[in-house]
Amino acid sequence: SAVISQKPSRDICQRGTSLTIQCQVDSQVTMMFWYRQQPGQSLTLIATANQGSEATYESGFVIDKFPISRPNLTFSTLTVSNMSPEDSSIYLCSVEDGRVSYEQYFGPGTRLTVT
Amino acid sequence: AQSVAQPEDQVNVAEGNPLTVKCTYSVSGNPYLFWYVQYPNRGLQFLLKYITGDNLVKGSYGFEAEFNKSQTSFHLKNPSALVSDSALYFCAVRDEGGGADGLTFGKGTHLIIQP
Repeated sequence: SAVISQKPSRDICQRGTSLTIQCQVDSQVTMMFWYRQQPGQSLTLIATANQGSEATYESGFVIDKFPISRPNLTFSTLTVSNMSPEDSSIYLCSVEDGRVSYEQYFGPGTRLTVT
Repeated sequence: AQSVAQPEDQVNVAEGNPLTVKCTYSVSGNPYLFWYVQYPNRGLQFLLKYITGDNLVKGSYGFEAEFNKSQTSFHLKNPSALVSDSALYFCAVRDEGGGADGLTFGKGTHLIIQP
């Protein structure tokens, strides 16, 4: 399966600031996704990021708050903008490994705390 | 819209006994179904999937799951639990019929295997 890394692994940020999370994959993948896991809760899909097109956001998530870049087939970034304490979550990127149909593999996550 | 229900917050099983973690789903088209496991302070790991074919699918670490279309269920099973299987288990679904390519997750079930 694809090996996925995320930077930073964790951060503590002040409200009103922004943080950019990086996701790097060791192979070329078409589909990348960003999820949020709020404390003690399940994962929620934020957006799908495909190279060469605008990200597709799920209901409740907007580009101004969570801008996403996908410059190539191995890399993506998610920015959490104008942060508030409610943004404190684990943010995970995942990829669909084209070599194995429909299986998604997840990065280790970025634990964000907003004070 | 697609959804996943995991009715049990926690399942307790004695080591060596069989276990079942329940999952039901709702999609408008055909379901693609998945189980993931999350160990403390570790990333989300893929366990198994159902896409098509045999209703009983086998995955990692002795786990298997049975797809039941009439009951819209995809329960996770293991015939002999180990203490090391204690973790948080998520069921997830993707609708083959369209919509997001990302996954919709259940709220998770804590599996506790007692020695």
